[in-house]
Amino acid sequence: GEDVEQSLFLSVREGDSSVINCTYTDSSSTYLYWYKQEPGAGLQLLTYIFSNMDMKQDQRLTVLLNKKDKHLSLRIADTQTGDSAIYFCAGLSNNNAGNMLTFGGGTRLMVKP
Amino acid sequence: DGGITQSPKYLFRKEGQNVTLSCEQNLNHDAMYWYRQDPGQGLRLIYYSQIVNDFQKGDIAEGYSVSREKKESFPLTVTSAQKNPTAFYLCAISDTFGGYTFGSGTRLTVV
Repeated sequence: GEDVEQSLFLSVREGDSSVINCTYTDSSSTYLYWYKQEPGAGLQLLTYIFSNMDMKQDQRLTVLLNKKDKHLSLRIADTQTGDSAIYFCAGLSNNNAGNMLTFGGGTRLMVKP
Repeated sequence: DGGITQSPKYLFRKEGQNVTLSCEQNLNHDAMYWYRQDPGQGLRLIYYSQIVNDFQKGDIAEGYSVSREKKESFPLTVTSAQKNPTAFYLCAISDTFGGYTFGSGTRLTVV
């Protein structure tokens, strides 16, 4: 099955750019997603990218996908203290059970004022 | 929460007691999922259901049970067989483009 890996922790200063990285193993993943989780809350979908795209930009968020290396990244421009959260990447695969998301372990982003 | 509601937000369980966590959705989606999250950890899949009256075990189903008698409801029971139930429990539905929409979670604590 799919395996998704992320680094555990990232610390940046307010106003800098943040880059959160993710690697995955299933080359047949059709969509890849980024979710944000604030303390004590559920996961909120930030953005997603279709597997035939290399890049997607949505306001301060830029997603880059390198299918050859199975590497996904999320860049947050002008990072704010409100961006402090845990960020999860996830890949969508289809198996006998239908479509399933496999999540990485999450990257905790800390933004220092 | 985009039409998916988890309750209660906080739940306390005594040793040896079964408790049931509620997950309801009004988005008419077929697939529903339960995840467990421990502090500083990622998500682990407990059970999922792709259609009414059918459900499948996830990676950590032992000590848990579910039912799917109605499309809009997928309750999770944490049984006394689950020896370490203290965790944050998240319910999700699969939306139209394959991603998941999550509820706001239930924090279960053993007292």
